[in-house]
Amino acid sequence: EAQVTQNPRYLITVTGKKLTVTCSQNMNHEYMSWYRQDPGLGLRQIYYSMNVEVTDKGDVPEGYKVSRKEKRNFPLILESPSPNQTSLYFCASSLGPWAGGIQYFGAGTRLSVL
Amino acid sequence: KNQVEQSPQSLIILEGKNCTLQCNYTVSPFSNLRWYKQDTGRGPVSLTIMTFSENTKSNGRYTATLDADTKQSSLHITASQLSDSASYICVVSAGGGADGLTFGKGTHLIIQP
Repeated sequence: EAQVTQNPRYLITVTGKKLTVTCSQNMNHEYMSWYRQDPGLGLRQIYYSMNVEVTDKGDVPEGYKVSRKEKRNFPLILESPSPNQTSLYFCASSLGPWAGGIQYFGAGTRLSVL
Repeated sequence: KNQVEQSPQSLIILEGKNCTLQCNYTVSPFSNLRWYKQDTGRGPVSLTIMTFSENTKSNGRYTATLDADTKQSSLHITASQLSDSASYICVVSAGGGADGLTFGKGTHLIIQP
């Protein structure tokens, strides 16, 4: 079954405590991306990756890092979380935004930074 | 700047009725247009993907249309069901070598019994 798996689903942390949200896909997709979703703002892209070792900034990259060491995994790292990073986060994968391929989203990670 | 505007922002209809959601875009160059359904607190799920040459695409009770000349798309839902209550997001891909997805803010649809 085609799947994008995010962990954890829910996370409460405190300001400044480093955290990592994992994302894994089983479809051998080259393209992966991270989004955050906030009320009234819709989905906004944080980072994306065209392939292994190739990553680039999206619309709201400040305060986030990513890595793509393997094709299937694309973790999102918050080195020093702040309250304004409280949000709902989604990982997604596809063959590519230009390929017309279906984009699969994970179930989401709800993060609260106190 | 590439933009995708959706209307209405929210919509309430009675179960069994039809409805149409609108999407206008200013994205260039154009590669494809997608409609997603997002249930509250869950990840978006793809409904349809249309390329430049496609005018209409259906997925069950969902029918998307695309007018590439006027840069407009619509999503028509027939005989609505309570399970159709969700946000519907229009996404346009600009194609090319770099990431080119532009997301609309979505239409929040509520189906009342």
